[in-house]
Amino acid sequence: QLVLTQSPSASASLGASVKLTCTLSSGHSSYAITWHQQQPERGPQYLMKINSDGSHSKGDGIPDRFSGSSSGAERYLTISSLQSEDEADYYCQTWGTGIGVFGGGTKLTVL
Amino acid sequence: QVRLQQSGPGLLKPSQTLSVTCAISGDSVSSNIVAWNWIRQSPSRGLEWLGRTYYRSKWYNDHAAFVRGRITIKSDTSKNQFSLQLNSVTPEDTAVYYCARDVSGYVTDWGQGTLVTVSS
Repeated sequence: QLVLTQSPSASASLGASVKLTCTLSSGHSSYAITWHQQQPERGPQYLMKINSDGSHSKGDGIPDRFSGSSSGAERYLTISSLQSEDEADYYCQTWGTGIGVFGGGTKLTVL
Repeated sequence: QVRLQQSGPGLLKPSQTLSVTCAISGDSVSSNIVAWNWIRQSPSRGLEWLGRTYYRSKWYNDHAAFVRGRITIKSDTSKNQFSLQLNSVTPEDTAVYYCARDVSGYVTDWGQGTLVTVSS
């Protein structure tokens, strides 16, 4: 069964960097994923798509502070030079056979 | 740049039918390279993919197993929009409903969301 696993929470200091992880379930390590940001009281916004080889394509207007990478079954979202507006929930998403799948989300706190 | 604008009633009673529409600008509902999705979000269940419709010489639909039998997703090419109907709603269907566009299954654009509350 295709499952995406995310840590429920993460925190980092203003101006620092943070790396969020989305883990694909066994047997699905070749899958691409997308990352989405949901700021408080707002709808999700597409950030980027990350392929299994680590190549990624960002959405329009997404700052260079946001980058993606991959290792095995893990897909990463790195945010550098953290700003207060980066405090949000971050979700990963992928596509299985005829079904869309979301991770449980990571709540990022900027200290 | 695609824009998805949602509309639909926000309050329903149990057993009624949920109906939400998503108007598309900047793309075509009958595009051959994208699909049009419905996703919902609640505090208890997070983001849940419900289903999608897409055109590849003819119309296709995919639905999540947990709503199969209750869900209908339709396209309206004359208005360039698509819609969600969910029958026999219960309080567990209370959520924010989003429409979204995907490319090869990967979501790239979201509507603004519609809060639907099911309560007697």
